[in-house]
Amino acid sequence: KAGVTQTPRYLIKTRGQQVTLSCSPISGHRSVSWYQQTPGQGLQFLFEYFSETQRNKGNFPGRFSGRQFSNSRSEMNVSTLELGDSALYLCASSWGGGQTYEQYFGPGTRLTVT
Amino acid sequence: AQSVTQLGSHVSVSEGALVLLRCNYSSSVPPYLFWYVQYPNQGLQLLLKYTSAATLVKGINGFEAEFKKSETSFHLTKPSAHMSDAAEYFCAVTRNSGGSNYKLTFGKGALLTVNP
Repeated sequence: KAGVTQTPRYLIKTRGQQVTLSCSPISGHRSVSWYQQTPGQGLQFLFEYFSETQRNKGNFPGRFSGRQFSNSRSEMNVSTLELGDSALYLCASSWGGGQTYEQYFGPGTRLTVT
Repeated sequence: AQSVTQLGSHVSVSEGALVLLRCNYSSSVPPYLFWYVQYPNQGLQLLLKYTSAATLVKGINGFEAEFKKSETSFHLTKPSAHMSDAAEYFCAVTRNSGGSNYKLTFGKGALLTVNP
């Protein structure tokens, strides 16, 4: 089974621009979660989508948004980029049906904001 | 609210020595607990998980962890370190609330160095 894929792997943007990151979950998985990893704040939960609906949300400003498509692929969007948005953005997929909660992570997208 | 504390952000061991990475959690409801490993420039790989079955959990690459409710701990151990174990290790918790909760709360991580 193919793992979680994320595109692009690396991205450089300028402050004020917007960016869209993509995540394809493991086949059969219906839950996709997004995390931000920075040296200062560590790993922080952004949001989780299940069956095209946002099911859980972390404490991030409204500039961070996401969506999920009918094939479970997910995108996250960051508008009006700030320097502090530079981070590794990790996507994780899971079956999503409860009982077990292990998540399988992709390689991440490294976003640099200049 | 849940939280995870990992004591020791940098842990150094000799090859062949015992690896012990500490994790203490705080949760108002029964937790699910996980250990993940991250190699440089990669995502997170699941090592093992505790989901309220056996308290001693065995994972991949010879790692294991023991859930101790009285100590609110979930320490990760490996009897004999290998050079390939050098990486960053994260402990994570989520609620076992009977509903859907895929929000993982992570510790700050522990960077493991293995000396030859």
